[in-house]
Amino acid sequence: SQQGEEDPQALSIQEGENATMNCSYKTSINNLQWYRQNSGRGLVHLILIRSNEREKHSGRLRVTLDTSKKSSSLLITASRAADTASYFCATDARAGGTSYGKLTFGQGTILTVHP
Amino acid sequence: NAGVMQNPRHLVRRRGQEARLRCSPMKGHSHVYWYRQLPEEGLKFMVYLQKENIIDESGMPKERFSAEFPKEGPSILRIQQVVRGDSAAYFCASSPRGIVGEQFFGPGTRLTVL
Repeated sequence: SQQGEEDPQALSIQEGENATMNCSYKTSINNLQWYRQNSGRGLVHLILIRSNEREKHSGRLRVTLDTSKKSSSLLITASRAADTASYFCATDARAGGTSYGKLTFGQGTILTVHP
Repeated sequence: NAGVMQNPRHLVRRRGQEARLRCSPMKGHSHVYWYRQLPEEGLKFMVYLQKENIIDESGMPKERFSAEFPKEGPSILRIQQVVRGDSAAYFCASSPRGIVGEQFFGPGTRLTVL
């Protein structure tokens, strides 16, 4: 599997439900970020979690990071139709102690929230 | 503070022509990254530049692709003799520093090669 691989590939839920997306990666990282992409648009940064953090919150978003399992999850609570988008995790890999901020993206999870 | 600007937003080229994609980073940002997104896929890193320097071009195809970020003006991604497989969305991102931080993405340039 690739660095930064999300699952599920697609998720369909009703408005008000919670959505959970998972991301796995292979190498040691400095940080992991989640981005949202609306169809045909650019990426919007959602949240960054550093390798020494285990959990982070931002509004309706909750991100966890388990470096021992090399995995992260993004939880969106009380989803809205406007949350419909593709969600990508991106890792900033650590190589020999240096990082250029070069991000490695997963394939993404397509979230559809039905009103 | 304007965000990352990319132009053109859409570019159509015939096979064999050249494509020039421009990226103006956010004000105060001196680090630029280019990514390519093929249909139904995630973004793939291409190149990382600072002003007048290519820092990491490990994701760039060896031939036909080049990038620059001059002292003045936008960063340019240049694709010579385009082929159909070059059709993709090309995104530019900038950051104020090249380590451990959020990258701000532009809206992308969608290249279609006929």
